[in-house]
Amino acid sequence: DTEVTQTPKHLVMGMTNKKSLKCEQHMGHRAMYWYKQKAKKPPELMFVYSYEKLSINESVPSRFSPECPNSSLLNLHLHALQPEDSALYLCASSQDLMDYTFGSGTRLTVV
Amino acid sequence: GEDVEQSLFLSVREGDSSVINCTYTDSSSTYLYWYKQEPGAGLQLLTYIFSNMDMKQDQRLTVLLNKKDKHLSLRIADTQTGDSAIYFCAERGNNNDMRFGAGTRLTVKP
Repeated sequence: DTEVTQTPKHLVMGMTNKKSLKCEQHMGHRAMYWYKQKAKKPPELMFVYSYEKLSINESVPSRFSPECPNSSLLNLHLHALQPEDSALYLCASSQDLMDYTFGSGTRLTVV
Repeated sequence: GEDVEQSLFLSVREGDSSVINCTYTDSSSTYLYWYKQEPGAGLQLLTYIFSNMDMKQDQRLTVLLNKKDKHLSLRIADTQTGDSAIYFCAERGNNNDMRFGAGTRLTVKP
């Protein structure tokens, strides 16, 4: 299995909702990442997990809460989001310099 | 993406070669990468080049690296309509993240 799987593919949520994005990989990668990509822009890093511990938080608002339950799973919990948080959320994993794999993303719309 | 720069648009005819250019700033970058993103999709790693190489060829793709000028290019031979996408140049950052250029939108006309 050489893929990073993200669910759901699409999500529409209200500003008072709580939802979670999920990411899974079975390549034995020990680093996992969340990126946010706005329309017509490159992806921007949000969080880095290394060996299941949060190592980087790029000044992301607390309404985004990451969680790494085990080495294969990465979640992003969403609460009280704003319409400007609508974007494509990409998960990635890596093990070494040559092996950096992205998922297909979750397209999030906040209404 | 401020440290990695790319031109935003490229239009070619089917069957021609496409050349997408990129400049980067971190001279210590060990690997440099090219990703492809089709509309509504995630990022697909196309190829990468190690910093001690000048050129890497993989089927229709040729990557050229000029370390002195910090210039990277991706050449796609015999460009097809299915190659229409956004192409991102990227370097590995200090946080083990990928730092992307703004992306070049390649349009292939029949």
